Amino acid sequence: GQQVMQIPQYQHVQEGEDFTTYCNSSTTLSNIQWYKQRPGGHPVFLIQLVKSGEVKKQKRLTFQFGEAKKNSSLHITATQTTDVGTYFCAGPSSGTYKYIFGTGTRLKVLA
Amino acid sequence: KAGVTQTPRYLIKTRGQQVTLSCSPISGHRSVSWYQQTPGQGLQFLFEYFSETQRNKGNFPGRFSGRQFSNSRSEMNVSTLELGDSALYLCASSFRGRDEQYFGPGTRLTVT
Repeated sequence: GQQVMQIPQYQHVQEGEDFTTYCNSSTTLSNIQWYKQRPGGHPVFLIQLVKSGEVKKQKRLTFQFGEAKKNSSLHITATQTTDVGTYFCAGPSSGTYKYIFGTGTRLKVLA
Repeated sequence: KAGVTQTPRYLIKTRGQQVTLSCSPISGHRSVSWYQQTPGQGLQFLFEYFSETQRNKGNFPGRFSGRQFSNSRSEMNVSTLELGDSALYLCASSFRGRDEQYFGPGTRLTVT
């Protein structure tokens, strides 16, 4: 079945450093979504990418969807302590409404 | 606009019992998906409902079932609980099913 992997699994950074998490799907995705889950919280929607090669920015966050629509990345510039949490990507299994979530990247920011 | 609500927030059950969890989606959203989140397995899709019809089901045993009502509220039921069913159960609503999903706070189920 479809698998969505994320690397790295964990990342510790000093406040002010940049951070990137990568998402790779075993199959082509019609779209990809990114979520952030704070410790003890629930996933919160960040963005959805649909087009091949699409790049979207939200303040310090930059999201990219690969040309083959099988991979994506999230880059955070100059991390802050408020960026702490687990970042998940998610994509729909082909032709379905079943979203497969990535394994997640847990980010810790050291002040 | 009110967010997604889930009840109860916490639940402790013993093995063999059954449990029903409830989810009220954002007003106007017709798609409700359920997920199980555990430290070992991450976020796993259980099922998705749209206009009272189950459109997709994840790889869970038949002990896991759900339904959706005409007002889009949804319930999921787990029968004959096992220790491994201990998890955070999250529901998410969206307008159509392939757009952004809004998650509820979850129900933390502990099976003893």
